[in-house]
Amino acid sequence: NAGVMQNPRHLVRRRGQEARLRCSPMKGHSHVYWYRQLPEEGLKFMVYLQKENIIDESGMPKERFSAEFPKEGPSILRIQQVVRGDSAAYFCASSPGDLEGYTFGSGTRLTVV
Amino acid sequence: KQEVTQIPAALSVPEGENLVLNCSFTDSAIYNLQWFRQDPGKGLTSLLLIQSSQREQTSGRLNASLDKSSGRSTLYIAASQPGDSATYLCAVREDSSYKLIFGSGTRLLVRP
Repeated sequence: NAGVMQNPRHLVRRRGQEARLRCSPMKGHSHVYWYRQLPEEGLKFMVYLQKENIIDESGMPKERFSAEFPKEGPSILRIQQVVRGDSAAYFCASSPGDLEGYTFGSGTRLTVV
Repeated sequence: KQEVTQIPAALSVPEGENLVLNCSFTDSAIYNLQWFRQDPGKGLTSLLLIQSSQREQTSGRLNASLDKSSGRSTLYIAASQPGDSATYLCAVREDSSYKLIFGSGTRLLVRP
């Protein structure tokens, strides 16, 4: 069991470009969560997805950010027209159920130049 | 609104010392509390998870306690080693919620 896999580990984008972050949950886990960690801060909840459904996106900025978890393939967090303030570490976690313990991935560190 | 605070923000100790990291939360209606370790540029490793009905959990040199009524948890590290140097994050999950609410962490440096 490879755990929660995130790629890429590091991503550099110029202002205005799009960033796509991928997350493959642990085998048998159908619940995926995305968190963002700004420099020197704790992690903040962004979005909770189950297969083909967004359950809670209350932590996502209203503009430019979107997430999906298709029936086949990884979960994708997409940031359009990136700005410097989007530079952060983005962590994905998965669980077998919504009140089960999480397993976190190693994160994707996005740098916007 | 639940808020999680960790004190101190940073801590530097000589090898071999026993130390305590503190976490406080404002709403006692929690489902569980979890301590994580984060190494620079790496992901989160779960250290200990305490359910709301429990008072403490132990794993090796680590002991975490929970006092729901006062909104506090402590992580005790015995006989600290340089390999313990990392950021330690506390996170609470509220009743009937799937979200984890994190503190800002304590950066620990254990000097050889």
